[in-house]
Amino acid sequence: AQSVTQPDIHITVSEGASLELRCNYSYGATPYLFWYVQSPGQGLQLLLKYFSGDTLVQGIKGFEAEFKRSQSSFNLRKPSVHWSDAAEYFCATNNYGQNFVFGPGTRLSVLP
Amino acid sequence: EAGVAQSPRYKIIEKRQSVAFWCNPISGHATLYWYQQILGQGPKLLIQFQNNGVVDDSQLPKDRFSAERLKGVDSTLKIQPAKLEDSAVYLCASSLVTGGAAGELFFGEGSRLTVL
Repeated sequence: AQSVTQPDIHITVSEGASLELRCNYSYGATPYLFWYVQSPGQGLQLLLKYFSGDTLVQGIKGFEAEFKRSQSSFNLRKPSVHWSDAAEYFCATNNYGQNFVFGPGTRLSVLP
Repeated sequence: EAGVAQSPRYKIIEKRQSVAFWCNPISGHATLYWYQQILGQGPKLLIQFQNNGVVDDSQLPKDRFSAERLKGVDSTLKIQPAKLEDSAVYLCASSLVTGGAAGELFFGEGSRLTVL
């Protein structure tokens, strides 16, 4: 069965610093991969998605993610974090025709 | 375009009571999902509908949870009787198609349930 791990439960960065959130998936074929963000009291919002093609994917709010098949990873990055980026981030995978599987999430705190 | 609507946003009940949550998906979205999100965890699928038929309810605790999607639009999730461990946020999501490249999920704001 497909699964998603996010090794970091909580990350704290200073405003303006760079950010990388890790995501590893477990699935034989190339999965469809997603990053969602959840602000407190809100639903999940899609940041970006990868289906095929270019392994570097651009998303909203200045985020990008890189798919690395050799490492089964899909890490999320942002060059300069803003205070408004503080939220919970979820990596997810969707084997075509199957259900979404979400990782446990990484909580991001941003120091002023 | 209106997003996924859910109600109520918050509900507090005592154990063994019943509760119902309502969801109205984005217009035209054939697939509707109910997820349970326990504090500190990622969303876990409870049930998936394609139009008004059930695609997957393998993780729905059917002894106490039920869901329906009449006419392939709105959906209701019911818990009866509630247990303490049902305290969670219940998220409704919809997508244009089932799975695949176009299977991006659009989420509502969720219904937070507290069972005392």
